[in-house]
Amino acid sequence: DAGVIQSPRHEVTEMGQEVTLRCKPISGHNSLFWYRQTMMRGLELLIYFNNNVPIDDSGMPEDRFSAKMPNASFSTLKIQPSEPRDSAVYFCASRHSTGTNEKLFFGSGTQLSVL
Amino acid sequence: TQLLEQSPQFLSIQEGENLTVYCNSSSVFSSLQWYRQEPGEGPVLLVTVVTGGEVKKLKRLTFQFGDARKDSSLHITAAQPGDTGLYLCAGAGVRNSGGSNYKLTFGKGTLLTVNP
Repeated sequence: DAGVIQSPRHEVTEMGQEVTLRCKPISGHNSLFWYRQTMMRGLELLIYFNNNVPIDDSGMPEDRFSAKMPNASFSTLKIQPSEPRDSAVYFCASRHSTGTNEKLFFGSGTQLSVL
Repeated sequence: TQLLEQSPQFLSIQEGENLTVYCNSSSVFSSLQWYRQEPGEGPVLLVTVVTGGEVKKLKRLTFQFGDARKDSSLHITAAQPGDTGLYLCAGAGVRNSGGSNYKLTFGKGTLLTVNP
């Protein structure tokens, strides 16, 4: 099993540019999560998909952030336009939801730096 | 908002020492998970505790869920350099109160360094 795959691992961009982060969840998992991690705020849930449908996007900071899951094996998180305060590590995680207390599998993250 | 506070924030010890880190909240959780995160990687689940007062052991690691399901502790015996990492606790929604079990609330973590 390849695990959750995220790309790119590192992204450096200039303020105002569009940034797209990609995620391939573990095959067979039906839930996908996007998290953001910073020293100040820790891990924050941005958005949660179940069976490719966005269920909770209350953690998305503002309209500059958008996420899609066109199929069960791919999701994107887009920031347009990017700002320096968006600099963080962005994690994608997936799990197979059958009830409660399921194990969440994280990718290795994308380190985003907005200059 | 269910806030989880972890303490200490940083901990540096020598190999062979014992340590305990804490995860506290004013809210009740249906379950609580502990993760370890190494530099440049995502968190990896260590354990899930569900029942108040539950104790789980994973080799040299002992996890306890508070009786009221508001707090948890992680005790490491005879720490080794391989235990170095960021330890995160995460609580899932409150049972029977509309809290969503999918939504994990993470603490900011305890950064543990075990020196050889």
